[in-house]
Amino acid sequence: KNEVEQSPQNLTAQEGEFITINCSYSVGISALHWLQQHPGGGIVSLFMLSSGKKKHGRLIATINIQEKHSSLHITASHPRDSAVYICAVYNTDKLIFGTGTRLQVFP
Amino acid sequence: DAGVTQSPTHLIKTRGQQVTLRCSPISGHKSVSWYQQVLGQGPQFIFQYYEKEERGRGNFPDRFSARQFPNYSSELNVNALLLGDSALYLCASSPSYYGYTFGSGTRLTVV
Repeated sequence: KNEVEQSPQNLTAQEGEFITINCSYSVGISALHWLQQHPGGGIVSLFMLSSGKKKHGRLIATINIQEKHSSLHITASHPRDSAVYICAVYNTDKLIFGTGTRLQVFP
Repeated sequence: DAGVTQSPTHLIKTRGQQVTLRCSPISGHKSVSWYQQVLGQGPQFIFQYYEKEERGRGNFPDRFSARQFPNYSSELNVNALLLGDSALYLCASSPSYYGYTFGSGTRLTVV
């Protein structure tokens, strides 16, 4: 079993839909990152969380430390949101990554 | 400000050869870490360096080595390349242990 599990693996949405991506982890963490990866490989850090909730534009990230669970929400999704979203947890001296959620948003 | 810079962006090597990948962190960032991302999978941790000292190593063979220079730039070396080493190699820098900024990666193809 992977230490960081994401669901769903693939997600298709119509433009304007509300999207939720989930991340569960089984190790102790200092922080959790949500990352976005576009085709071609470059990774952009969206959020770093250690508790509570953060919001940036149409993106919202929450974390429940007791339940070892985090969610990334995208409100009013847009085709430019199409990408792979990766959850990564900071454990001791390293990041442990989930396998990612591939999101496609159609107009 | 320049972001994390990785070079080269792409390269092709033959099995058995050696390769060196380079990473320049964001100015002021003292920590550099390296990750391997095989197609279709999430990145896997290879090394972390902080203040020029190795702070962590992932489950990779001794063919993989790295170092960090006094200016905090870093090199990742891979010896005796195997086909399975074909991947995107990502470098990330941070001021300390958090707040990573990733580079665009080096795509290595071993033939």
